Amino acid sequence: DVVMTQSPLSLPVTLGQPASISCRSSQSLVHSDGNTYLNWFQQRPGQSPRRLIYKISNRGSGVPDRFSGSGSGTDFTLKISRVEAEDVGVYYCMQATHWPRAFGQGTKVEIK
Amino acid sequence: EVQLVESGGGSVPPGGSLRLSCGASGFTFSRSWMTWVRQAPGRGLELVSIINQDGSDTYYVDSVRGRFTISRDNAKSSLYMQMNSLRDEDTAVYYCAKDSWGPDYWGQGTLVTVSS
Repeated sequence: DVVMTQSPLSLPVTLGQPASISCRSSQSLVHSDGNTYLNWFQQRPGQSPRRLIYKISNRGSGVPDRFSGSGSGTDFTLKISRVEAEDVGVYYCMQATHWPRAFGQGTKVEIK
Repeated sequence: EVQLVESGGGSVPPGGSLRLSCGASGFTFSRSWMTWVRQAPGRGLELVSIINQDGSDTYYVDSVRGRFTISRDNAKSSLYMQMNSLRDEDTAVYYCAKDSWGPDYWGQGTLVTVSS
């Protein structure tokens, strides 16, 4: 099974400053159809998760452009260009290339 | 607007059963893969089961295979999860989600508590 490893697990950030979360998979996430099905989710306190990013770098509907995704193969990154108060929460990467699908452990973003 | 509304959660003793339901609207349900994702208290996310558009293809995480059954009724735009032989470790919020190579829309979740 594919294992997704996020770092850091806790990320204190200053408002207005950038933030970056890493996600690594135990094997390549390139699908036989040529796509890489790597997603990023945000879960604000007390809320359901919502998808921010799909296929590495595509923003979901209504997602602010301060969120960006990058990477390839086994190494991926979620970046927030300027952290806002509403960005506090837990962020998860998830691979949908291989069965079983797998989430990372989550990275808790909090304001310093 | 996509809406997913779960129901059926509650408290049940170990070995008991529950049936979760999820009503969908705002998209073409019959053309969408659907999934159940759970989150134990204070823990991360785990995809429990997924079903294709006509119900002919399903997947279960190892820990629930043989105990849980996912199904759907396209005429009613509804998704279900029959959960039998429940264990303490099944305690979690269960989310229904529309799937497009990953859950793209989520419901608000329903809490299942397994406890004697």
